[in-house]
Amino acid sequence: SAVISQKPSRDICQRGTSLTIQCQVDSQVTMMFWYRQQPGQSLTLIATANQGSEATYESGFVIDKFPISRPNLTFSTLTVSNMSPEDSSIYLCSVLTGVRGNTEAFFGQGTRLTVV
Amino acid sequence: DQQVKQNSPSLSVQEGRISILNCDYTNSMFDYFLWYKKYPAEGPTFLISISSIKDKNEDGRFTVFLNKSAKHLSLHIVPSQPGDSAVYFCAAIAGTALIFGKGTTLSVSS
Repeated sequence: SAVISQKPSRDICQRGTSLTIQCQVDSQVTMMFWYRQQPGQSLTLIATANQGSEATYESGFVIDKFPISRPNLTFSTLTVSNMSPEDSSIYLCSVLTGVRGNTEAFFGQGTRLTVV
Repeated sequence: DQQVKQNSPSLSVQEGRISILNCDYTNSMFDYFLWYKKYPAEGPTFLISISSIKDKNEDGRFTVFLNKSAKHLSLHIVPSQPGDSAVYFCAAIAGTALIFGKGTTLSVSS
């Protein structure tokens, strides 16, 4: 199993500013995943953060808007840059553990972001 | 195009009865499926999973059924309890990341 500490749990931010979300895992993991859940929508993968290399972004997400750091195997940050009200979402970090066919994903508590 | 679909946004069930949550997928390459439960202001928590080599997996009150030919899976909760009221997401593994459905909000009334 894995325990993920994510912070902040919530924030209200002014448009045009940036917010950095942190995730700390209690064990070493190769990949960490960042998701977004907009109101009424599913969890959508933003990017995969690999230690020692640049993050891999999904279609529709770019590094300038969502820069990610992964300085070691237990920690990652996601920054939401130049925020607009459309960025108001829940942001979640996640890790996968186990082997193929017996995999489980663990999530942080989420960061509820409101942009005003 | 959504690869994992939960077509019912909500479901209401009485305590003690069965809750059946459905999920359809489009990609026949998916070979592992998971169900998550999410309470407001919390991250999703893992419930149960199933590999494509199986058609059923059971864990206590939770059973997941997989029909590969129909690309359909369902989560059965028996008996349903008020504490089961939450949003339930089904997810499929594609490569190393999860693809989620939009979720179904289950309300169990006492």
